[in-house]
Amino acid sequence: RKEVEQDPGPFNVPEGATVAFNCTYSNSASQSFFWYRQDCRKEPKLLMSVYSSGNEDGRFTAQLNRASQYISLLIRDSKLSDSATYLCVVNTGNTPLVFGKGTRLSVIA
Amino acid sequence: SAVISQKPSRDICQRGTSLTIQCQVDSQVTMMFWYRQQPGQSLTLIATANQGSEATYESGFVIDKFPISRPNLTFSTLTVSNMSPEDSSIYLCSVGLGTADNYGYTFGSGTRLTVV
Repeated sequence: RKEVEQDPGPFNVPEGATVAFNCTYSNSASQSFFWYRQDCRKEPKLLMSVYSSGNEDGRFTAQLNRASQYISLLIRDSKLSDSATYLCVVNTGNTPLVFGKGTRLSVIA
Repeated sequence: SAVISQKPSRDICQRGTSLTIQCQVDSQVTMMFWYRQQPGQSLTLIATANQGSEATYESGFVIDKFPISRPNLTFSTLTVSNMSPEDSSIYLCSVGLGTADNYGYTFGSGTRLTVV
């Protein structure tokens, strides 16, 4: 089983739609969780950390379910500029970050 | 957050040659990490560059193939040695943001390597 698994997509959604990405991780000792965004031919950039209580940043909401080892990212009112690959990232504390393969999102006008 | 300058941004190299990638950080950081991202794949950690000691390599990566230098707390290099087409990839350096466990990492802009 891969350490971090994501649905690769692509997710093709119209502007204004709500879209949700899911991610599962295998290491129950994982301590920190993140969503990164990677634009085509660019480096990954931190979108948001994911906290146990869930957290929101504008149109983006991240949630963590430790019991199910599951992380989600919800994007409301999708914009064309949201088109990118979204990477689920996990830190077990003893090793550097482990990246999922990413979920590709295309927001269509 | 730290700002990383990575170069070269891209290169096309002949097989059998070596390429050295540099990363300069605008602040002192304890650990720097080198990742590889092959086409259509996620990021794979190559090694952790430690200042004052040898780099720590992940399974599948060896020092002879990917020698790393870390002469001080703001700079590191990764060399891809004796290149083959299978080494064609994007190579990225990264450092922790704040407390790395909670704030993730920031990345250099990457080096797109093509081996012909």
